Amino acid sequence: DQQVKQNSPSLSVQEGRISILNCDYTNSMFDYFLWYKKYPAEGPTFLISISSIKDKNEDGRFTVFLNKSAKHLSLHIVPSQPGDSAVYFCAASRPFRGGTSYGKLTFGQGTILTVHP
Amino acid sequence: GAVVSQHPSRVICKSGTSVKIECRSLDFQATTMFWYRQFPKQSLMLMATSNEGSKATYEQGVEKDKFLINHASLTLSTLTVTSAHPEDSSFYICSARRQFTVNTEAFFGQGTRLTVV
Repeated sequence: DQQVKQNSPSLSVQEGRISILNCDYTNSMFDYFLWYKKYPAEGPTFLISISSIKDKNEDGRFTVFLNKSAKHLSLHIVPSQPGDSAVYFCAASRPFRGGTSYGKLTFGQGTILTVHP
Repeated sequence: GAVVSQHPSRVICKSGTSVKIECRSLDFQATTMFWYRQFPKQSLMLMATSNEGSKATYEQGVEKDKFLINHASLTLSTLTVTSAHPEDSSFYICSARRQFTVNTEAFFGQGTRLTVV
């Protein structure tokens, strides 16, 4: 059961343009969402996150939008740069309730972003 | 910022031998750490949750006797792949979140590329 889905395996964008990466989720218990960037043979690097009480969070060139009713989030990168080329994963977690399960992330399948000079 | 260090980054072992992978949180305490596995062109799959001072919690389908997890201190978790077989070859990644925080990012180690020959 894929609770977090990234339906686009790849995205190709021209340098300077906007990159929009999409993510859908099915579990309404998720309340915190994160985007990670990953290069081959490396661990994921955190980019930006959003809590379910917000619908937008911005950090420099990166903006994440959350549509709770549609269970959809997106990552916008503006302007896109060749160095942004990587695999992007969205991830989701459930509310903190104490105990040892906190921190568990459910990942989407990833989207390969290629930014052409 | 917080750093999670994973060692070794690459390991090649013979079938039937065991391999230990270490995951350390360098500047924060983590009562819980997570071990993921990534197959080529696939998402990060959670294998188990490592709990300091108690038994690990394994995801469905993960053999606990094959993937031994020990979380002996607040900054160190180890994953031992026992009696390794070629199908265990994969990219293993650990992560941790700061203790006593809510809605914060998880930090990932650099990953370990295991090749069983």
